[in-house]
Amino acid sequence: NAGVTQTPKFQVLKTGQSMTLQCAQDMNHEYMSWYRQDPGMGLRLIHYSVGAGITDQGEVPNGYNVSRSTTEDFPLRLLSAAPSQTSVYFCASSQGIAGGQNEQFFGPGTRLTVL
Amino acid sequence: AQSVTQLDSQVPVFEEAPVELRCNYSSSVSVYLFWYVQYPNQGLQLLLKYLSGSTLVKGINGFEAEFNKSQTSFHLRKPSVHISDTAEYFCAVRFSGGYNKLIFGAGTRLAVHP
Repeated sequence: NAGVTQTPKFQVLKTGQSMTLQCAQDMNHEYMSWYRQDPGMGLRLIHYSVGAGITDQGEVPNGYNVSRSTTEDFPLRLLSAAPSQTSVYFCASSQGIAGGQNEQFFGPGTRLTVL
Repeated sequence: AQSVTQLDSQVPVFEEAPVELRCNYSSSVSVYLFWYVQYPNQGLQLLLKYLSGSTLVKGINGFEAEFNKSQTSFHLRKPSVHISDTAEYFCAVRFSGGYNKLIFGAGTRLAVHP
């Protein structure tokens, strides 16, 4: 299994541009989520999904959209990038949607810079 | 609001010395507790977790942590660190009864010096 994969690894955008960060997992996991990591703030939840067709907002959802049309993929869209969205983005997945035994597996991250 | 506090942003230590990374959380409900490690330019890897039962949990790479419900703490310890333990460590909490949403602390950067 490849686990959780993310593309691209690095991206530079200009303010106002749009883009999609890709996330895929091949473990048939129900739960998928997106986090952003900023210095001194740890990881903060952006959006999450508990199955195909079901998504919900996390702690910092503004400026981001998600959809989950398949179990495997969970793309994160920035419609109009802003410098405040400069960050490292991590995708994670787990087999179950609840319960402490469901370990979350993290992708390698996408480093995004918005100029 | 529920939160996780990692009391030290940076911890320098010499090789083979013991280390403790501190984590406190605020919650009035049952929680599951986790420690993750992030090596430079990599994703997060689970070190250990507390779900229930024994309050002392052992993880990978010789790390262990103790859950203290009365002090709402989950401190991470290692009796003798190696250069290879240099990384950022994150404490995280998930509240029982809800979805798999993790709340992370700000992280502690462990720097092991020769």
